[in-house]
Amino acid sequence: GDSVTQKEGLVTLTEGLPVMLNCTYQTIYSNAFLFWYVHYLNESPRLLLKSSTDNKRTEHQGFHATLHKSSSSFHLQKSSAQLSDSALYYCALSDRASSGQKLVFGQGTILKVYL
Amino acid sequence: NAGVIQTPRHKVTGKGQEATLWCEPISGHSAVFWYRQTIVQGLEFLTYFRNQAPIDDSGMPKERFSAQMPNQSHSTLKIQSTQPQDSAVYLCASSLEGGPAETLYFGSGTRLTVL
Repeated sequence: GDSVTQKEGLVTLTEGLPVMLNCTYQTIYSNAFLFWYVHYLNESPRLLLKSSTDNKRTEHQGFHATLHKSSSSFHLQKSSAQLSDSALYYCALSDRASSGQKLVFGQGTILKVYL
Repeated sequence: NAGVIQTPRHKVTGKGQEATLWCEPISGHSAVFWYRQTIVQGLEFLTYFRNQAPIDDSGMPKERFSAQMPNQSHSTLKIQSTQPQDSAVYLCASSLEGGPAETLYFGSGTRLTVL
Protein backbone atom coordinates (compact mmCIF):
# COMPACT_ATOMS: atom_id res chain seq x y z
CA GLY A 1 0.00 0.00 0.00
CA ASP A 2 0.87 3.68 -0.04
CA SER A 3 3.34 4.99 2.53
CA VAL A 4 4.96 8.28 3.51
CA THR A 5 8.29 8.65 5.29
CA GLN A 6 9.41 11.69 7.23
CA LYS A 7 12.83 10.73 8.46
CA GLU A 8 13.27 13.55 10.97
CA GLY A 9 11.16 13.37 14.07
CA LEU A 10 12.50 16.66 15.40
CA VAL A 11 14.21 19.57 13.70
CA THR A 12 15.58 22.43 15.79
CA LEU A 13 16.69 25.70 14.21
CA THR A 14 17.75 29.18 15.11
CA GLU A 15 15.46 31.90 13.81
CA GLY A 16 16.51 33.14 10.41
CA LEU A 17 18.05 29.90 9.21
CA PRO A 18 16.54 27.99 6.28
CA VAL A 19 14.07 25.19 6.89
CA MET A 20 13.96 21.88 5.08
CA LEU A 21 11.70 19.05 6.20
CA ASN A 22 12.07 15.82 4.27
CA CYS A 23 9.24 13.78 2.81
CA THR A 24 9.45 10.74 0.59
CA TYR A 25 6.63 8.50 -0.45
CA GLN A 26 5.80 5.17 -2.05
CA THR A 27 2.89 4.44 -4.30
CA ILE A 28 2.43 2.26 -7.31
CA TYR A 29 0.13 4.82 -8.90
CA SER A 30 1.44 7.64 -11.03
CA ASN A 31 -1.41 10.03 -10.19
CA ALA A 32 -0.43 10.95 -6.63
CA PHE A 33 -1.43 14.01 -4.65
CA LEU A 34 1.00 15.24 -1.99
CA PHE A 35 0.15 17.50 0.91
CA TRP A 36 1.78 19.24 3.84
CA TYR A 37 -0.39 19.80 6.90
CA VAL A 38 0.70 21.89 9.87
CA HIS A 39 -0.47 21.36 13.44
CA TYR A 40 0.14 24.27 15.80
CA LEU A 41 -0.17 23.70 19.53
CA ASN A 42 -3.77 24.02 20.75
CA GLU A 43 -5.11 24.27 17.21
CA SER A 44 -6.44 21.82 14.63
CA PRO A 45 -4.20 20.46 11.86
CA ARG A 46 -4.66 22.46 8.68
CA LEU A 47 -3.49 22.34 5.10
CA LEU A 48 -0.31 24.24 4.33
CA LEU A 49 0.14 23.34 0.67
CA LYS A 50 -0.50 20.59 -1.88
CA SER A 51 0.58 19.49 -5.31
CA SER A 52 0.11 16.82 -7.94
CA THR A 53 2.20 18.37 -10.71
CA ASP A 54 5.66 16.99 -11.29
CA ASN A 55 8.53 19.46 -10.94
CA LYS A 56 6.30 22.44 -10.22
CA ARG A 57 7.02 24.60 -7.15
CA THR A 58 4.03 25.23 -4.89
CA GLU A 59 4.13 28.08 -2.37
CA HIS A 60 2.02 29.23 0.55
CA GLN A 61 2.69 31.41 3.59
CA GLY A 62 6.41 31.58 2.88
CA PHE A 63 6.79 27.82 2.57
CA HIS A 64 7.37 26.00 -0.69
CA ALA A 65 7.65 22.45 -1.95
CA THR A 66 8.24 20.80 -5.30
CA LEU A 67 6.91 17.36 -6.16
CA HIS A 68 9.61 15.24 -7.77
CA LYS A 69 8.10 12.02 -9.03
CA SER A 70 11.49 10.71 -10.19
CA SER A 71 12.70 10.62 -6.60
CA SER A 72 9.27 10.30 -4.94
CA SER A 73 9.93 13.35 -2.81
CA PHE A 74 8.03 16.40 -1.63
CA HIS A 75 10.32 18.26 0.76
CA LEU A 76 9.04 21.35 2.56
CA GLN A 77 11.29 24.41 2.56
CA LYS A 78 11.37 27.96 3.80
CA SER A 79 14.18 30.43 3.29
CA SER A 80 14.14 31.89 6.81
CA ALA A 81 12.61 30.26 9.89
CA GLN A 82 10.47 32.28 12.28
CA LEU A 83 9.58 31.55 15.88
CA SER A 84 5.94 31.24 14.82
CA ASP A 85 6.82 28.35 12.49
CA SER A 86 7.30 26.07 15.50
CA ALA A 87 4.74 23.31 15.02
CA LEU A 88 4.20 19.69 13.99
CA TYR A 89 4.33 19.17 10.23
CA TYR A 90 2.82 16.20 8.42
CA CYS A 91 3.43 15.10 4.87
CA ALA A 92 0.55 13.16 3.33
CA LEU A 93 -0.32 11.27 0.17
CA SER A 94 -3.48 10.31 -1.61
CA ASP A 95 -4.09 8.75 -4.96
CA ARG A 96 -7.19 8.26 -6.97
CA ALA A 97 -6.99 4.53 -7.09
CA SER A 98 -5.55 2.60 -4.19
CA SER A 99 -6.32 4.62 -1.09
CA GLY A 100 -10.01 5.05 -1.65
CA GLN A 101 -9.42 8.78 -1.43
CA LYS A 102 -8.13 8.70 2.11
CA LEU A 103 -4.94 10.51 3.08
CA VAL A 104 -1.94 8.50 4.25
CA PHE A 105 0.19 10.56 6.60
CA GLY A 106 3.81 10.34 7.61
CA GLN A 107 4.87 10.19 11.24
CA GLY A 108 5.29 13.94 11.43
CA THR A 109 8.22 16.27 12.06
CA ILE A 110 8.29 18.64 15.00
CA LEU A 111 9.92 21.93 14.06
CA LYS A 112 11.24 24.01 16.93
CA VAL A 113 12.60 27.46 16.16
CA TYR A 114 14.69 29.30 18.77
CA LEU A 115 15.97 32.85 19.09
CA ASN B 1 -18.95 28.29 9.86
CA ALA B 2 -17.94 26.66 13.13
CA GLY B 3 -15.62 24.13 11.56
CA VAL B 4 -15.51 20.48 12.54
CA ILE B 5 -16.69 20.04 16.10
CA GLN B 6 -15.50 17.19 18.28
CA THR B 7 -16.74 16.33 21.75
CA PRO B 8 -15.58 15.78 24.38
CA ARG B 9 -12.20 17.48 24.23
CA HIS B 10 -10.83 15.16 26.87
CA LYS B 11 -12.00 11.78 28.06
CA VAL B 12 -10.54 9.60 30.78
CA THR B 13 -11.66 6.00 31.07
CA GLY B 14 -10.65 3.04 33.14
CA LYS B 15 -9.30 -0.05 31.47
CA GLY B 16 -12.19 -2.13 30.15
CA GLN B 17 -14.69 0.75 29.98
CA GLU B 18 -16.35 2.05 26.85
CA ALA B 19 -15.63 5.38 25.18
CA THR B 20 -17.78 7.17 22.62
CA LEU B 21 -16.38 10.07 20.66
CA TRP B 22 -18.53 12.49 18.69
CA CYS B 23 -17.89 14.47 15.54
CA GLU B 24 -19.97 17.08 13.75
CA PRO B 25 -18.61 17.75 10.24
CA ILE B 26 -18.76 21.05 8.44
CA SER B 27 -22.24 21.61 7.06
CA GLY B 28 -22.38 20.60 3.41
CA HIS B 29 -19.40 18.29 3.57
CA SER B 30 -20.24 14.77 2.53
CA ALA B 31 -17.02 12.98 3.56
CA VAL B 32 -16.02 12.31 7.16
CA PHE B 33 -12.74 10.79 8.25
CA TRP B 34 -11.43 9.51 11.58
CA TYR B 35 -7.72 9.50 12.41
CA ARG B 36 -5.74 8.57 15.52
CA GLN B 37 -2.73 10.70 16.45
CA THR B 38 0.16 9.37 18.52
CA ILE B 39 3.79 10.37 18.89
CA VAL B 40 5.02 7.04 17.58
CA GLN B 41 2.65 6.46 14.66
CA GLY B 42 1.78 10.00 13.68
CA LEU B 43 -1.66 10.30 12.08
CA GLU B 44 -3.15 6.87 11.47
CA PHE B 45 -6.20 6.49 9.27
CA LEU B 46 -9.07 4.66 10.92
CA THR B 47 -12.17 4.93 8.76
CA TYR B 48 -14.18 7.16 6.48
CA PHE B 49 -17.73 7.79 5.31
CA ARG B 50 -19.13 9.42 2.24
CA ASN B 51 -22.77 10.48 2.20
CA GLN B 52 -23.12 8.60 5.51
CA ALA B 53 -22.08 5.30 3.93
CA PRO B 54 -18.95 3.54 5.25
CA ILE B 55 -16.38 3.52 2.45
CA ASP B 56 -13.15 2.30 3.98
CA ASP B 57 -12.57 0.99 7.50
CA SER B 58 -9.22 -0.63 6.79
CA GLY B 59 -7.52 1.20 9.67
CA MET B 60 -9.98 0.18 12.33
CA PRO B 61 -8.89 -2.40 14.90
CA LYS B 62 -11.60 -4.95 14.22
CA GLU B 63 -12.53 -6.24 17.60
CA ARG B 64 -13.22 -3.21 19.76
CA PHE B 65 -13.58 -0.22 17.46
CA SER B 66 -16.69 0.75 15.56
CA ALA B 67 -17.85 3.90 13.79
CA GLN B 68 -21.20 5.08 12.62
CA MET B 69 -22.70 8.00 10.80
CA PRO B 70 -26.44 7.92 11.45
CA ASN B 71 -27.08 11.27 9.78
CA GLN B 72 -25.19 13.88 7.80
CA SER B 73 -24.53 16.04 10.84
CA HIS B 74 -22.69 13.65 13.10
CA SER B 75 -20.48 10.62 13.33
CA THR B 76 -19.43 8.57 16.35
CA LEU B 77 -16.41 6.44 17.09
CA LYS B 78 -16.95 3.87 19.79
CA ILE B 79 -14.22 1.96 21.55
CA GLN B 80 -15.32 -0.96 23.66
CA SER B 81 -13.25 -2.40 26.50
CA THR B 82 -10.66 0.37 26.25
CA GLN B 83 -7.03 -0.53 26.76
CA PRO B 84 -4.07 1.70 27.73
CA GLN B 85 -2.71 1.42 24.18
CA ASP B 86 -5.88 3.14 22.93
CA SER B 87 -4.72 6.35 24.61
CA ALA B 88 -4.28 8.91 21.84
CA VAL B 89 -5.80 11.99 20.28
CA TYR B 90 -8.65 11.03 17.98
CA LEU B 91 -9.17 13.47 15.15
CA CYS B 92 -12.18 13.81 12.94
CA ALA B 93 -11.99 15.57 9.59
CA SER B 94 -14.41 16.39 6.81
CA SER B 95 -14.09 17.33 3.18
CA LEU B 96 -16.51 18.48 0.54
CA GLU B 97 -16.85 15.25 -1.43
CA GLY B 98 -13.95 13.03 -0.38
CA GLY B 99 -11.97 13.56 -3.57
CA PRO B 100 -8.23 12.73 -3.53
CA ALA B 101 -7.13 16.33 -4.06
CA GLU B 102 -9.49 17.89 -1.55
CA THR B 103 -8.48 19.60 1.64
CA LEU B 104 -9.31 17.88 4.90
CA TYR B 105 -10.68 20.14 7.63
CA PHE B 106 -9.85 18.78 11.05
CA GLY B 107 -11.53 19.18 14.38
CA SER B 108 -9.62 19.93 17.57
CA GLY B 109 -9.60 16.28 18.52
CA THR B 110 -10.58 14.23 21.55
CA ARG B 111 -7.73 13.27 23.84
CA LEU B 112 -8.52 9.82 25.22
CA THR B 113 -6.62 8.64 28.26
CA VAL B 114 -7.12 5.05 29.41
CA LEU B 115 -5.89 4.43 32.93
